[in-house]
Amino acid sequence: GEDVEQSLFLSVREGDSSVINCTYTDSSSTYLYWYKQEPGAGLQLLTYIFSNMDMKQDQRLTVLLNKKDKHLSLRIADTQTGDSAIYFCAESITGGFKTIFGAGTRLFVKA
Amino acid sequence: NAGVTQTPKFRVLKTGQSMTLLCAQDMNHEYMYWYRQDPGMGLRLIHYSVGEGTTAKGEVPDGYNVSRLKKQNFLLGLESAAPSQTSVYFCASSYTTNEKLFFGSGTQLSVL
Repeated sequence: GEDVEQSLFLSVREGDSSVINCTYTDSSSTYLYWYKQEPGAGLQLLTYIFSNMDMKQDQRLTVLLNKKDKHLSLRIADTQTGDSAIYFCAESITGGFKTIFGAGTRLFVKA
Repeated sequence: NAGVTQTPKFRVLKTGQSMTLLCAQDMNHEYMYWYRQDPGMGLRLIHYSVGEGTTAKGEVPDGYNVSRLKKQNFLLGLESAAPSQTSVYFCASSYTTNEKLFFGSGTQLSVL
């Protein structure tokens, strides 16, 4: 079945790098996404990677995809207090009509 | 550009009451979705629609009904609310399948 798993909490100091990890089970994923949810708000797309890519970099964000291990990670360089939020890993399935979400990782950034 | 708008933002119901959540999008998206968010469980798909006049069941459809009479609106109904339906409800839309989702700001629903 389809399942996306991620750890629930991560705490880092301001200025350090944050790495949020995710594993998924469906090998027919088309896209893998990272969404960010700030308090009291809906989810917003942070970045995404196509399933035939290994890495994608976008300013402070680096996404790494290991298809063999079905492992996705999001690295945030120079983490700021404004990065405190819940980060959701998600996958969309080839030919499917839905996006499968993980439970979300709550990132705490200590000043 | 409003994007995806959900109303209401908060609601408290008694067990057995009914209500309708409204979602409106102004991006001419074909696909619309209703998710519920519960602590430690992420987002679970309730129902979705692939175009005006169509609806389909998601992962957790029981106790909910939906309608998509107009392309820009997707309504989620609870006919007889139960405490297990206490949750945060999110509407989302996308232009096509397998594309990024645009989310509304959510509805916090409590059923007592």
